Amino acid sequence: DVKVTQSSRYLVKRTGEKVFLECVQDMDHENMFWYRQDPGLGLRLIYFSYDVKMKEKGDIPEGYSVSREKKERFSLILESASTNQTSMYLCASSFRGDYEQYFGPGTRLTVT
Amino acid sequence: KQEVTQIPAALSVPEGENLVLNCSFTDSAIYNLQWFRQDPGKGLTSLLLIQSSQREQTSGRLNASLDKSSGRSTLYIAASQPGDSATYLCASGGTGFQKLVFGTGTRLLVSP
Repeated sequence: DVKVTQSSRYLVKRTGEKVFLECVQDMDHENMFWYRQDPGLGLRLIYFSYDVKMKEKGDIPEGYSVSREKKERFSLILESASTNQTSMYLCASSFRGDYEQYFGPGTRLTVT
Repeated sequence: KQEVTQIPAALSVPEGENLVLNCSFTDSAIYNLQWFRQDPGKGLTSLLLIQSSQREQTSGRLNASLDKSSGRSTLYIAASQPGDSATYLCASGGTGFQKLVFGTGTRLLVSP
C-alpha cells in the first residue's frame, strides 16, 4: 500500500515563526505536491516537485517555499507565519506521468 | 484557467437511496477526471479515475461518468449507506506535471 505521511496532525504556531511541514512517501514517486484546503475554497496547489531539487510554483505560492533534497521527502516552509496561513495542509505524491495522487492525512496548522 | 464546480455543497439522504453527485468544469481539454472521498479531518482517498477517452468507470456501488463536450461528470452511488457519509471531491487533470484542479466538494450525509 502507498503510504504518505506528514510530520504532524495538528500544529499551533505564533505569528512570525518559521514553520516546517514535512511529507514523506514510500512508493518511489517522482511527483510530490503541497496543497492547502480552506472552507469554500477547496484544495489549492501551493508548490509541486517533479524530481529531487526541482520545484514549481502552484496557484498560491506567496509566503511559502519548499525543499526536496531526497526523493521521498518534500518539505513546505512558512518563512514567517501569518494568521492567514491558518489552514489544513495536505501533501500528495504520484508517479511521473500518472494523475492518480495519493494523499497524506493532513496537518491542521493554526497561527495565532 | 480551469474552474471546477460541485453542486450542491451539501446533501442529506436516507439510507438505501440512490444518489448522484455533480461536477462541472469549464475547459473540456482535460486528460482525466477523478473522484475522491474525504472523511472529516482526514486526507483524500481516490475513488475513481476516468480517462478522457472513457465515458465511465465503476467500482462496487460507485459509477462515475464523464461527458467532456458538456463539461460534466457525475458520481452515482447506489443503495447509499451511513458509511458513505463524507465529502466527495472531483478533480480535473490537465496538462503539465499531472496537476489537478479540484472542486470545492459535496458534503454527503446518509441517515440510518
